[in-house]
Amino acid sequence: AQKVTQAQTEISVVEKEDVTLDCVYETRDTTYYLFWYKQPPSGELVFLIRRNSFDEQNEISGRYSWNFQKSTSSFNFTITASQVVDSAVYFCALSEHTGFQKLVFGTGTRLLVSP
Amino acid sequence: DADVTQTPRNRITKTGKRIMLECSQTKGHDRMYWYRQDPGLGLQLIYYSFDVKDINKGEISDGYSVSRQAQAKFSLSLESAIPNQTALYFCATSENRQGGADTQYFGPGTRLTVL
Repeated sequence: AQKVTQAQTEISVVEKEDVTLDCVYETRDTTYYLFWYKQPPSGELVFLIRRNSFDEQNEISGRYSWNFQKSTSSFNFTITASQVVDSAVYFCALSEHTGFQKLVFGTGTRLLVSP
Repeated sequence: DADVTQTPRNRITKTGKRIMLECSQTKGHDRMYWYRQDPGLGLQLIYYSFDVKDINKGEISDGYSVSRQAQAKFSLSLESAIPNQTALYFCATSENRQGGADTQYFGPGTRLTVL
């Protein structure tokens, strides 16, 4: 069965610090997809990234970067030089390729960035 | 204008009342979903619809019903609301592409309180 674990419930940093949010997943499929979503205090869910299991290249988008390692079943998210606007709950999610392709979410990591 | 809209954004109701949450999308996607989010938890799938004639139960469908009135509209009903249905409800949409899991795009959420 699919499972996503975000062991860090809450992280507090000071602005300009780098921070890494951990995501560990379990799946029996060889083809699967991983996602990160951001939920700011206003409550909406914002899509950040989608990665398939065949693409292990790290990705960078501005201050955001993602490290996908199949060997450790992890898909970690790093924010460089954090800003107050990064304060949010971040969710990692997994979808298998077969069947319904249900999206399974982790329980989220709350990031607090203080000035 | 937002691609996925939800109405109402906030609702307070009483136990036993019937309530409907509505979702509309302009993304042209075939697939639509309803989730609920409880504090400290990830998202749980209530119902999903792959097209107007295809509606399926998710993980926690008891106490809920849905209606897919058109490709662009998907409504969630609580026939007789109870306090433990107090939660944040999200609608999401995705394309029906072959060859991979679709990215789900979420509406802004409806905060429902059942007294």
